[in-house]
Amino acid sequence: SAVISQKPSRDICQRGTSLTIQCQVDSQVTMMFWYRQQPGQSLTLIATANQGSEATYESGFVIDKFPISRPNLTFSTLTVSNMSPEDSSIYLCSVEGRGRFETQYFGPGTRLLVL
Amino acid sequence: DAKTTQPNSMESNEEEPVHLPCNHSTISGTDYIHWYRQLPSQGPEYVIHGLTSNVNNRMASLAIAEDRKSSTLILHRATLRDAAVYYCIPGQNFVFGPGTRLSVLP
Repeated sequence: SAVISQKPSRDICQRGTSLTIQCQVDSQVTMMFWYRQQPGQSLTLIATANQGSEATYESGFVIDKFPISRPNLTFSTLTVSNMSPEDSSIYLCSVEGRGRFETQYFGPGTRLLVL
Repeated sequence: DAKTTQPNSMESNEEEPVHLPCNHSTISGTDYIHWYRQLPSQGPEYVIHGLTSNVNNRMASLAIAEDRKSSTLILHRATLRDAAVYYCIPGQNFVFGPGTRLSVLP
């Protein structure tokens, strides 16, 4: 298993501003993932971040709105840019497990409220 | 990715078994079936996974239909801590459906 921490755990932001969310894992991993969970909804994958390459974004998510950094094998950031109230969600990072079954381990999430 | 169908919600009494069903009729032959759960105010956590055979671990059992078009997560004795949203995820792309919200009554 992997232990994942996220900062901040929650934040309240004004519209038009940007917030950078950090994800730290206690072991080196190749693939890290960023998800969004809107209020009362399930999780939606935003992008996959591999170290040393550009993040791969899912349909409906663009780099200008959600830029991602992956500077090393234990750390990643997701920025939510030019925020609007519709960006109010829980943002979660996850990492792939080891072995062939592609299990994922999730962080506790960052709760974002945009006013 | 295979599409899944799960009940929106289920209820169980504490210390009784719970059977959580999932239909994944379009699953491909090589897709593993993963189950995750999300406790209130937490990220999802791994429960169990399987391919063709029934699987057991300390948390639960997974019964997979012979045609692999459905599976059932079995909690042998539900506790209050098992109250969560349970997600059935076939395939490797981790597409989360709405899941089943399990309530456990004392």
